[in-house]
Amino acid sequence: DAKTTQPNSMESNEEEPVHLPCNHSTISGTDYIHWYRQLPSQGPEYVIHGLTSNVNNRMASLAIAEDRKSSTLILHRATLRDAAVYYCMIMEYGNKLVFGAGTILRVKS
Amino acid sequence: DAGVIQSPRHEVTEMGQEVTLRCKPISGHDYLFWYRQTMMRGLELLIYFNNNVPIDDSGMPEDRFSAKMPNASFSTLKIQPSEPRDSAVYFCASSSAHGSPLHFGNGTRLTVT
Repeated sequence: DAKTTQPNSMESNEEEPVHLPCNHSTISGTDYIHWYRQLPSQGPEYVIHGLTSNVNNRMASLAIAEDRKSSTLILHRATLRDAAVYYCMIMEYGNKLVFGAGTILRVKS
Repeated sequence: DAGVIQSPRHEVTEMGQEVTLRCKPISGHDYLFWYRQTMMRGLELLIYFNNNVPIDDSGMPEDRFSAKMPNASFSTLKIQPSEPRDSAVYFCASSSAHGSPLHFGNGTRLTVT
């Protein structure tokens, strides 16, 4: 399983952008980069995913490095409801996702 | 679409009893996953299916755990006999084509006393 490395925790101020980094140096050419988040007492929630190009959706943006060995999840304006554990994972063939420890995001008002 | 539906939401049972957790994936999804979450070990992938066939069960902790998918719209995870260390939140998820997002259910909180 391709490994990812994320910071244990990050802190942000409300209404400011947040950049959550992820390293995945062993990624293969056909592997997708997936981001999920888990709010307290809830199940994991899909955020965004991509293959090679940067991606935008209503929740966030995903910036993928040219060599694909790292990516950054961007929350454009953090709110208190964005406080959660954010997981970066590599989806290999077969749609298998293995969760790591993730990054705990704290948002200060 | 109602999303992934899991039942029951909560289950409390005594050690030694059989426990069956149920999952209805999103219609049309070919992949189904069972995860377990505890404070100590985080989210662990137990097993996953593709087109109702188990593909990888390397995460199933021991023979007391078994999972089936008799058809495209239903899966069960069974623990027999249950033990206190099986207490956890069990999530079911489904996805469609390769690379597609996983959609998670609300989970079943299992407590074994």
